[in-house]
Amino acid sequence: GQNIDQPTEMTATEGAIVQINCTYQTSGFNGLFWYQQHAGEAPTFLSYNVLDGLEEKGRFSSFLSRSKGYSYLLLKELQMKDSASYLCAVRDGSTNAGKSTFGDGTTLTVKP
Amino acid sequence: DVKVTQSSRYLVKRTGEKVFLECVQDMDHENMFWYRQDPGLGLRLIYFSYDVKMKEKGDIPEGYSVSREKKERFSLILESASTNQTSMYLCASSYRVEAFFGQGTRLTVV
Repeated sequence: GQNIDQPTEMTATEGAIVQINCTYQTSGFNGLFWYQQHAGEAPTFLSYNVLDGLEEKGRFSSFLSRSKGYSYLLLKELQMKDSASYLCAVRDGSTNAGKSTFGDGTTLTVKP
Repeated sequence: DVKVTQSSRYLVKRTGEKVFLECVQDMDHENMFWYRQDPGLGLRLIYFSYDVKMKEKGDIPEGYSVSREKKERFSLILESASTNQTSMYLCASSYRVEAFFGQGTRLTVV
C-alpha cells in the first residue's frame, strides 16, 4: 500500500515563496502528482514527476527524490488565488489503470 | 478540453435506499475512478475501471459496487445507503498520466 504525509495547513504572504512537502512510503511507484483544489471545486492537475529532479512550470515547480521518498511543490510570487488545497498523490505502477493514492492535502492560505 | 460530468451536484437520500451516481467522460479514456472525499481523510479510492466491464476494488469498496457497460460511463452504486456514506463523491478519468475530475456529487444520507 501507500502512505503519504503532507502538512495539514500552511499560511504565506502574497508575493512570497512557499514550499509544500510530501513524503511517501510505497510498495510500488510510478510517479508523483500534485493537484490543486479550490474550495467546492474539483481537483485540477498541476504536475507529474516520475524521475528525480525539478520540473518547472511557470510559478509552480515540483521536485522529486525517489531514494528519499520525498517531493515538494514550490509556489513563487504567491497570489491570493493560490489559496487552495494542494494534494500530493502517488501513482501505483502495479495495475493497468495506474491508480493513485492521495495524501490528505495541504490547505494553503495566502494573506495580503 | 476533457469533460467529466457527474449527474448530480447535490443529492439527499434516505437510509436504506439504493443510490446511483453517474459519471460520463467525453475523451475516450480507458481508465475511470470513483473517490470519496471527507474532511481530514483526503481522497480515498472506492473502485476503478481500466476497460469496459472491467472493475477493481480500491481502498474502501465496502458498501459500494460499480458498473461500466460503456466506455464513457462509470456508475457508482450504493446498495443500501447509510449515514456514514454521507460524503463528497468525485469521479475521474485518465488516459496515460493526469486524471481529470468531475465537479463532484455531495451526497447526504438522512
